[in-house]
Amino acid sequence: GQQVMQIPQYQHVQEGEDFTTYCNSSTTLSNIQWYKQRPGGHPVFLIQLVKSGEVKKQKRLTFQFGEAKKNSSLHITATQTTDVGTYFCAALNTGNQFYFGTGTSLTVIP
Amino acid sequence: DVKVTQSSRYLVKRTGEKVFLECVQDMDHENMFWYRQDPGLGLRLIYFSYDVKMKEKGDIPEGYSVSREKKERFSLILESASTNQTSMYLCASRAGGGVTEAFFGQGTRLTVV
Repeated sequence: GQQVMQIPQYQHVQEGEDFTTYCNSSTTLSNIQWYKQRPGGHPVFLIQLVKSGEVKKQKRLTFQFGEAKKNSSLHITATQTTDVGTYFCAALNTGNQFYFGTGTSLTVIP
Repeated sequence: DVKVTQSSRYLVKRTGEKVFLECVQDMDHENMFWYRQDPGLGLRLIYFSYDVKMKEKGDIPEGYSVSREKKERFSLILESASTNQTSMYLCASRAGGGVTEAFFGQGTRLTVV
C-alpha cells in the first residue's frame, strides 16, 4: 500500500506552546486530508488540501501542502487542552483508497 | 448530518468464533471502508467497497472478508477469530464523484480471548 509517514508519533506540550505534525509521502499526492480523533472518539474531518503550496487556516490551526505535493503539515498555535487528541493525515491514491498516516498523539499539559 | 453506525461498541469473542461487524450509513454514500486501529500503527485499511456487491482488498485483508449486499450496509467478517485480531475496528463511508471527506462510525472494540 501507499506509504504515508507521520511524525512525531507522540508530542507533549505545555498549554500555550505551539505544536506541529508532519506528513510525508514517497509519491506525489493528488490531495491530502487531516482528521482529529479525540480520546475515546472516532476520526473527524478537519480540512482538505489539493493545490501545490496551499495554506489554509482554521482559527489557531494552519495547514500546509508542500510545493511538490509530497508532504503536509498541521501547526497549532498556542495549544489549549481542547486540542488533545490524535491527528491523522490521509491521502487518496489513484485506486480511490484512503491511506492514513500513523497519527500524532498530542497531550497538552495544563 | 451523516450518520455511520456500527452495531456494537464493545465485543468479546472466543478464538475460532465467526464474528460479524456491521456498519450502516444513511447518506447514500458509494464508498465504504473498514479499518483497524492499533497503537503506533494508525489506521490500516482492511477492505473497501465502491458499490453494492463490489469489494477490494486493502493492506491487511488476511483473516477477514466483507459483504455489501445493500448500499447502506457494509459488513466485516472474521471467519475464525484469533487473538491477534483484537483491535479497534472503524467503519467509514464517503461519497463518490470526487474527493470527499470520510465519515466514521464510533468504532467497535473487539477483544478475542
